[in-house]
Amino acid sequence: DVKVTQSSRYLVKRTGEKVFLECVQDMDHENMFWYRQDPGLGLRLIYFSYDVKMKEKGDIPEGYSVSREKKERFSLILESASTNQTSMYLCASSLPPLRGRASGYTFGSGTRLTVV
Amino acid sequence: GQNIDQPTEMTATEGAIVQINCTYQTSGFNGLFWYQQHAGEAPTFLSYNVLDGLEEKGRFSSFLSRSKGYSYLLLKELQMKDSASYLCAVMEYGNKLVFGAGTILRVKS
Repeated sequence: DVKVTQSSRYLVKRTGEKVFLECVQDMDHENMFWYRQDPGLGLRLIYFSYDVKMKEKGDIPEGYSVSREKKERFSLILESASTNQTSMYLCASSLPPLRGRASGYTFGSGTRLTVV
Repeated sequence: GQNIDQPTEMTATEGAIVQINCTYQTSGFNGLFWYQQHAGEAPTFLSYNVLDGLEEKGRFSSFLSRSKGYSYLLLKELQMKDSASYLCAVMEYGNKLVFGAGTILRVKS
């Protein structure tokens, strides 16, 4: 059963801490994404990556960075956690489009981060 | 800019049919996806439309009109387990998915 695995289901961190959220996929997908999900706002794209060592900013990258040293792993880093980063974080992966058809995403189960 | 609109909440009765609408305005279009998300779980893929028309998959169907920037998800023979959030998402060029805020569907007996 192919999957996207996020290392933690729940995390509680203090304001100002550096936080690492890890995501690993076993499907050999080129594309990986980090979203945050908040009530009434839906999923918003933070960062994405189309290849190893490659990263692109999404719609809300401020306060975040990412690392992709290996194809299967995409890490989200909160440089200095703040209370407004309390949220559900979802990682996803996908293949590139093929013959004009987009590939759907496979999502991880999410990490619910609380910053106190 | 990006704008994807769908109703916030809907309630329907077990055994009935419900239609969840989605309108969109995005800077690019490479298809429209519907995902289902149960509380506390990951979104799971339901359907994908890239051409106009209806795609049917069991109890679920999805329709797309690109000229109108409109899609709907149709759920037939509703079951209690269909209570979930339904996410409409547009694939922009570059394989990026832009999501609406989601529709919470409550199925009552």
